[in-house]
Amino acid sequence: DTEVTQTPKHLVMGMTNKKSLKCEQHMGHRAMYWYKQKAKKPPELMFVYSYEKLSINESVPSRFSPECPNSSLLNLHLHALQPEDSALYLCASSLLFGDTQYFGPGTRLTVL
Amino acid sequence: ELKVEQNPLFLSMQEGKNYTIYCNYSTTSDRLYWYRQDPGKSLESLFVLLSNGAVKQEGRLMASLDTKARLSTLHITAAVHDLSATYFCAVDTSSNDYKLSFGAGTTVTVRA
Repeated sequence: DTEVTQTPKHLVMGMTNKKSLKCEQHMGHRAMYWYKQKAKKPPELMFVYSYEKLSINESVPSRFSPECPNSSLLNLHLHALQPEDSALYLCASSLLFGDTQYFGPGTRLTVL
Repeated sequence: ELKVEQNPLFLSMQEGKNYTIYCNYSTTSDRLYWYRQDPGKSLESLFVLLSNGAVKQEGRLMASLDTKARLSTLHITAAVHDLSATYFCAVDTSSNDYKLSFGAGTTVTVRA
């Protein structure tokens, strides 16, 4: 299985909602990543987990809260988002940090 | 501050001809990455380059790295329509705090 899955594919939420994005891989990868990508812009790295520990947090606002419950799963909890947080959220994994990354299809998030 | 510049930003290719995309970066790097992104889709990793003089090839794409010049090139041989996409380079460094920076992307269109 060489796939990274992300759910949901699309999400529309209000500014007072709480929601979660989910990412899963079964390749035995020990590094997992969250990126944010606005339309027609390059991706921005948000968080990196290595061996289930948060190793990189790129000064992301606290309304984004990552969680890595086990080596296969990565969640991104969303609370009190702003309309400017609307973007494509990409999850990726790699065998070890810095190795070739495998990306999920992304979650397209709209905040109203 | 780690800055990454790609050029050109837009590239119209004729099928069968050869082209090069350039990626310049401003500080000492750990790794250089190349990615491809089709419109409305996720990212696909193409290459990870680690050391000076590194060259990697996959099909019609060849990437090289010159760490002394802080330059990577992505060479496309005999362009075909399937190569139409946006190509990003990215550089990471851990010389102070970890930083991953992307270039703005090169949008490639291959015409008959």
